[in-house]
Amino acid sequence: GESVGLHLPTLSVQEGDNSIINCAYSNSASDYFIWYKQESGKGPQFIIDIRSNMDKRQGQRVTVLLNKTVKHLSLQIAATQPGDSAVYFCAENSSGYSTLTFGKGTMLLVSP
Amino acid sequence: DSGVTQTPKHLITATGQRVTLRCSPRSGDLSVYWYQQSLDQGLQFLIQYYNGEERAKGNILERFSAQQFPDLHSELNLSSLELGDSALYFCASSGSGQARRNSPLHFGNGTRLTVT
Repeated sequence: GESVGLHLPTLSVQEGDNSIINCAYSNSASDYFIWYKQESGKGPQFIIDIRSNMDKRQGQRVTVLLNKTVKHLSLQIAATQPGDSAVYFCAENSSGYSTLTFGKGTMLLVSP
Repeated sequence: DSGVTQTPKHLITATGQRVTLRCSPRSGDLSVYWYQQSLDQGLQFLIQYYNGEERAKGNILERFSAQQFPDLHSELNLSSLELGDSALYFCASSGSGQARRNSPLHFGNGTRLTVT
């Protein structure tokens, strides 16, 4: 399939490593954040979300950390697998706005 | 599978033409969102409908329009197409009128539009 971006930041890891993907957001009024995974030829797939009244949320093999002081969001993937290879997007939303604003994305490449 | 269905998967057309992209939201979802994804612009919000009414507008060109029908499916109409309109067009749906906890956006697999 075709890649979704030619100039995306890329993180290359070995299978089994832990991966950390970072995202800086600009709107201090944003109070809801989502991480999406997009595989080649597919639409963005919901991974995990977090509200601004939390600083950490865990899912299955994934953890999202939110630092509102520096407006930074990260996605940690434990024991990364080749199937995790994809482009990862963070998205934000502010109360009173109905839509999500997406970041540029990071490509994660997992080698066996 | 997100439950959001988009047709067609691929569309090739010439400049100046008009096309219609179709989206069926997840069962029970009232909101439909349209996004455009190009290589240099990332995912850009175009327009949102909630229960048949336009709810929010983003970077949507005047040549583009959309509507949501009583059965909640939506169509995005693109007219007077230009080469620069070539992109992936995604539809997403959510249960409420706003992307919030317990109501994230769920995306379809998109329509790839190529304008030649």
